[in-house]
Amino acid sequence: DAGVTQSPTHLIKTRGQQVTLRCSPKSGHDTVSWYQQALGQGPQFIFQYYEEEERQRGNFPDRFSGHQFPNYSSELNVNALLLGDSALYLCASSQRQAGNEKLFFGSGTQLSVL
Amino acid sequence: AQTVTQSQPEMSVQEAETVTLSCTYDTSESNYYLFWYKQPPSRQMILVIRQEAYKQQNATENRFSVNFQKAAKSFSLKISDSQLGDTAMYFCAFIGGETSGSRLTFGEGTQLTVNP
Repeated sequence: DAGVTQSPTHLIKTRGQQVTLRCSPKSGHDTVSWYQQALGQGPQFIFQYYEEEERQRGNFPDRFSGHQFPNYSSELNVNALLLGDSALYLCASSQRQAGNEKLFFGSGTQLSVL
Repeated sequence: AQTVTQSQPEMSVQEAETVTLSCTYDTSESNYYLFWYKQPPSRQMILVIRQEAYKQQNATENRFSVNFQKAAKSFSLKISDSQLGDTAMYFCAFIGGETSGSRLTFGEGTQLTVNP
């Protein structure tokens, strides 16, 4: 049973560019959450998707957007990249009916903005 | 809004000894869950232990146990018989009920080093 998979593992972009990160949830999971983890800090909640809609959002600007597909996989898009967007982006999946506190994390995508 | 505070940025312990990591939180909710996650250098976030707020009994998982003091809003992690593989960043995290939905709120982390 594959866990949560994220791609790519590492990514290097320059300021002003746009980036798309991808996440496939654990089998049987229908909810995907995204977190940003800056170096030396705890992860910060970006947003959560369920039934292809954004259900909750953290304190992130509109440059951060997402999408969930019918197969429950998800994308995180960041436009007009800033140096401060350099971070590890973690995807977590859960099953709403089983309780969203049962989260499983992927290994993350390390984004470097130069 | 929920907050989670870890007041120990770094800790170290000798192999085979016991260490306790501290965490306090603030919430107005009555139904919530608390977690300790481990993040080794690989940066994979690994669940160590979970506590449900309505359960008075402290959770245990092998060498890991918690001291959950609901009135004091305290949730410490005790690691017994520390092993070199326990070296990692440890995050305390909270997930609440209806007001916070299913978003995890993390503390700042405690870097634990187990010395041989």
